[in-house]
Amino acid sequence: DAGVIQSPRHEVTEMGQEVTLRCKPISGHNSLFWYRQTMMRGLELLIYFNNNVPIDDSGMPEDRFSAKMPNASFSTLKIQPSEPRDSAVYFCASSLEQGRTEAFFGQGTRLTVV
Amino acid sequence: GENVEQHPSTLSVQEGDSAVIKCTYSDSASNYFPWYKQELGKRPQLIIDIRSNVGEKKDQRIAVTLNKTAKHFSLHITETQPEDSAVYFCAANGGYQKVTFGTGTKLQVIP
Repeated sequence: DAGVIQSPRHEVTEMGQEVTLRCKPISGHNSLFWYRQTMMRGLELLIYFNNNVPIDDSGMPEDRFSAKMPNASFSTLKIQPSEPRDSAVYFCASSLEQGRTEAFFGQGTRLTVV
Repeated sequence: GENVEQHPSTLSVQEGDSAVIKCTYSDSASNYFPWYKQELGKRPQLIIDIRSNVGEKKDQRIAVTLNKTAKHFSLHITETQPEDSAVYFCAANGGYQKVTFGTGTKLQVIP
């Protein structure tokens, strides 16, 4: 397996534009997580899915953020409209069993909103 | 929810010395405690984990200890090498299996 695959690796966008980040988890993993990493706030859990169902989205900053997992092999994180304070590295991770086994992280998407 | 505190935020050691990173957690229902290493510009990767039914686990130069009564756990790296330089994160899963990360420790191993 190629591991967790995220795209794009880098994204630069203008304030107000819509941004969509994509993730393909490891095949067979039941849980998928979206994290945001910044110097100020560290590694924050935004939302996680279990068997494609959103379980906890309490970490989503505000209504401008939304996430979907239409099937077991694909998830998106959308920011609309984007703001400069959304600039961060966004990681997707997957695990066999939520909260009980190793989470495998993708390479991350570095988002810059100007 | 779970709250994980991690100390120190930065740590510098001489090559060959030991490094210790400490974490505390708040939710007594936590039963899974992973440690991740993140090298500069790369993704976090698991280096060791421990479950609440054991008090210590060791893997070569890395060991983790867990004190459930005091709700704290620690990472020990012996015979540090320059390639150990990275940011280390502890985490705990809480009663709802929602993994919460500590704020990270930047370890610098000086050759």
